[in-house]
Amino acid sequence: GAVVSQHPSRVICKSGTSVKIECRSLDFQATTMFWYRQFPKQSLMLMATSNEGSKATYEQGVEKDKFLINHASLTLSTLTVTSAHPEDSSFYICSARDGGPYNEQFFGPGTRLTVL
Amino acid sequence: SQQGEEDPQALSIQEGENATMNCSYKTSINNLQWYRQNSGRGLVHLILIRSNEREKHSGRLRVTLDTSKKSSSLLITASRAADTASYFCATRGGSGGSNYKLTFGKGTLLTVNP
Repeated sequence: GAVVSQHPSRVICKSGTSVKIECRSLDFQATTMFWYRQFPKQSLMLMATSNEGSKATYEQGVEKDKFLINHASLTLSTLTVTSAHPEDSSFYICSARDGGPYNEQFFGPGTRLTVL
Repeated sequence: SQQGEEDPQALSIQEGENATMNCSYKTSINNLQWYRQNSGRGLVHLILIRSNEREKHSGRLRVTLDTSKKSSSLLITASRAADTASYFCATRGGSGGSNYKLTFGKGTLLTVNP
C-alpha cells in the first residue's frame, strides 16, 4: 500500500518555541493532506485539510495562526505549531489522499509533541 | 458532534475468543472504515465497506453495515494477543464533492489476554 512518513517521530520543546512537523507521501502524489490531533486515550480529531497549492481549510475551533499548514508540493505538507504551550502536547497524525478513483487516505505514523 | 461512536469503550477477552465491536453514526455516509492503532502508533487501515455493501470479510475480520440503523460491527475471530489495540471506525460523508473528510469515533480498546 501507499506509504506516508512523518518527521520527526518525537519532539520535545520548550514553551514558546515553534515546532515544524513534516508529512510526506513517498510513492504517490497527495492532492489532499489531512492533519489530525489525538490526545491520550482519545479519538483522532481533524484539525485541517490542505490541498496542494491552496490555503488549508481549518476545522472549527482550530486556530489557523497557531497551526500553520503549508502544502507546497504534491508530496509534502508541513504543520508548524507556533509558540507552543504545554496544552499543545499531543500526538499529531497526518494522512494523504491521492486523486485516484479509490480516494483512500493513507496515514503517517504520527509525531509525539511534548511541550515543557 | 462525534459522527462515529463505538461500543464498548473497552473489551477484554481471552485468546481464541471472538471480539465484536460496534459503531453507530448519525448522518449519511459514502463508506465506513475500520482502523487499528497500537499504543502510541499510527493507524493501520483494516477494511472499508461501502454504503451499498452489507458485509465484508478480510482474513479473520468480518464487517457488517446496516445503513437503516446507521451502524456497523467489526468481528475479529479467533483473537490473538497481537490483536490487542484500539479500534476505530471512521465514516466518510456522502454529501458529494471530492474532498470527503473522515470522521472518527472514540474507539474501542481491545485487550486479548494470552
